[in-house]
Amino acid sequence: NAGVTQTPKFQVLKTGQSMTLQCAQDMNHNSMYWYRQDPGMGLRLIYYSASEGTTDKGEVPNGYNVSRLNKREFSLRLESAAPSQTSVYFCATLRGSEGSITEAFFGQGTRLTVV
Amino acid sequence: KQEVTQIPAALSVPEGENLVLNCSFTDSAIYNLQWFRQDPGKGLTSLLLIQSSQREQTSGRLNASLDKSSGRSTLYIAASQPGDSATYLCAVETSGSRLTFGEGTQLTVNP
Repeated sequence: NAGVTQTPKFQVLKTGQSMTLQCAQDMNHNSMYWYRQDPGMGLRLIYYSASEGTTDKGEVPNGYNVSRLNKREFSLRLESAAPSQTSVYFCATLRGSEGSITEAFFGQGTRLTVV
Repeated sequence: KQEVTQIPAALSVPEGENLVLNCSFTDSAIYNLQWFRQDPGKGLTSLLLIQSSQREQTSGRLNASLDKSSGRSTLYIAASQPGDSATYLCAVETSGSRLTFGEGTQLTVNP
């Protein structure tokens, strides 16, 4: 039972390159989230998907796109990477629905460096 | 806009000491508040979740309290151990199943 799986774990990109971060959950949860974590700033929400087929912007969506491929998978794409996107990226899913969340589950993170 | 603040940013204590971590939030319209633990280079692990109608939750040596009206929560760790060393984050759930996080408190428990 893997929970939330993110790939890759580490990535170095050159400015202007593109890449897709993959996330998959095996808990049959409806909602999935992408966060970035920067020193001294906590976790900030990039995009989220409340259910299969829907996606919404979070706090810091600029420079990113997402795809909710199916109930299990939620990918985050950087079309043209910038040094400001150097960060640790976390995928998460929540057990329950709005107002009745009981637990949050996070992947191990993707450490991305843009040079 | 909901803002979550954690004090202190870092804390170092000797083993065996009881300690309190603080979390405050600006908008009391929350569904729940969660405390997480994050070890270096790892993801977040959920420790405790307090629903907005509850006042506290306990798990082993951990006790979390919530005062929704004043926008405050505390995480109490009893008899701290070196294995408790980690970063502790709090997060509140608001509308749309969105979690807003604090910056975290980095705890070091010295043997």
